[in-house]
Amino acid sequence: DQQVKQNSPSLSVQEGRISILNCDYTNSMFDYFLWYKKYPAEGPTFLISISSIKDKNEDGRFTVFLNKSAKHLSLHIVPSQPGDSAVYFCAASEDTGNQFYFGTGTSLTVIP
Amino acid sequence: DTAVSQTPKYLVTQMGNDKSIKCEQNLGHDTMYWYKQDSKKFLKIMFSYNNKELIINETVPNRFSPKSPDKAHLNLHINSLELGDSAVYFCASSRNQMISTQYFGPGTRLTVL
Repeated sequence: DQQVKQNSPSLSVQEGRISILNCDYTNSMFDYFLWYKKYPAEGPTFLISISSIKDKNEDGRFTVFLNKSAKHLSLHIVPSQPGDSAVYFCAASEDTGNQFYFGTGTSLTVIP
Repeated sequence: DTAVSQTPKYLVTQMGNDKSIKCEQNLGHDTMYWYKQDSKKFLKIMFSYNNKELIINETVPNRFSPKSPDKAHLNLHINSLELGDSAVYFCASSRNQMISTQYFGPGTRLTVL
């Protein structure tokens, strides 16, 4: 049973516009969340994280929002660039040292 | 139903020992992966198998040997364990090597003492 879900397998966005990637989870005990970015034939690379004590974390063009009541988080990329085209995975755990549960990924294409 | 399962969830062992982590997927996928998550949460691909054949083999010590008895299983054997092998190891699968959607197992936390 998928405890972390990314319901959009793919997303296309025009360069310069905002990309919004969504992630939902079912386990209310999750309190630490990660986003990974993956290029073809490479392993995922860590992008940004957020803990449940915050509802927003920003790093440059990347912002993660957490809505605990809705068990939903989203990754905003603004402005989107062609180099952002990749697969994005979200992951969640009950604490920073515990096992992580991954979503199945959303493939983002940024159109020049 | 568990899509991708790994056993054991936790593994604590002494340096120098040989251990295995098992992975099974019941999704009918052709491609399976092993990833290592280090202390900084970086998730690094180690191996990828497609239909029991090795297609990705990153720079991993040859103490690590994946074995795929059939396309539903990809086991990871580690010989002569070292302290630096302590990490969380994730198994994943995808329908084929072209499809980007990957289903991850829950991870195996390996601690080498």
